[in-house]
Amino acid sequence: EPEVTQTPSHQVTQMGQEVILRCVPISNHLYFYWYRQILGQKVEFLVSFYNNEISEKSEIFDDQFSVERPDGSNFTLKIRSTKLEDSAMYFCASSVGGIRFTYNEQFFGPGTRLTVL
Amino acid sequence: KNQVEQSPQSLIILEGKNCTLQCNYTVSPFSNLRWYKQDTGRGPVSLTIMTFSENTKSNGRYTATLDADTKQSSLHITASQLSDSASYICVVSNPGGSYIPTFGRGTSLIVHP
Repeated sequence: EPEVTQTPSHQVTQMGQEVILRCVPISNHLYFYWYRQILGQKVEFLVSFYNNEISEKSEIFDDQFSVERPDGSNFTLKIRSTKLEDSAMYFCASSVGGIRFTYNEQFFGPGTRLTVL
Repeated sequence: KNQVEQSPQSLIILEGKNCTLQCNYTVSPFSNLRWYKQDTGRGPVSLTIMTFSENTKSNGRYTATLDADTKQSSLHITASQLSDSASYICVVSNPGGSYIPTFGRGTSLIVHP
């Protein structure tokens, strides 16, 4: 059964460093997402991406974040200058339809745990 | 502010028993409501998706109900199994908010043998 994969599973970085989190969405999906979950807290939407453009983003997704689909398979989240509060689990998800479609089912990856020291 | 509140925060039940988890939301207008299961250290997995016009939706032993008038939803788990131990998350989408989903904090369910 196809699934969303994410690498690395755990990333440790120093404050101020740039990190790139990678995701391989399900191959026939057209919409891609990033979410984060700070330890012990709720999942939060960051951004959705379609046709090589950001379609929706939350207030959390500020200028330090960027997303890219560098090739036909990967979808990346870059954090330019990490802060301590960026420590969280980051989930990638993909779907056939976008979040405006009522029955759009999103498939989540296993997550990347980012630790900022 | 759009909010999704879930109760109880945690629940412990014996294997084979039924349980019901609650979700109250203030999101308005309302597009759809989803229930997810999240195993520890894993990504959420979709259980049910309902629009405002649907009252109930089942997926195996999971049955979700929705009362759009009172803005309440419940997830009923029948004949619980050890593998049901997980966090169950209620998520509501608001078309007035660019459909960005609002997540609840989840109910942590532990099923004991």
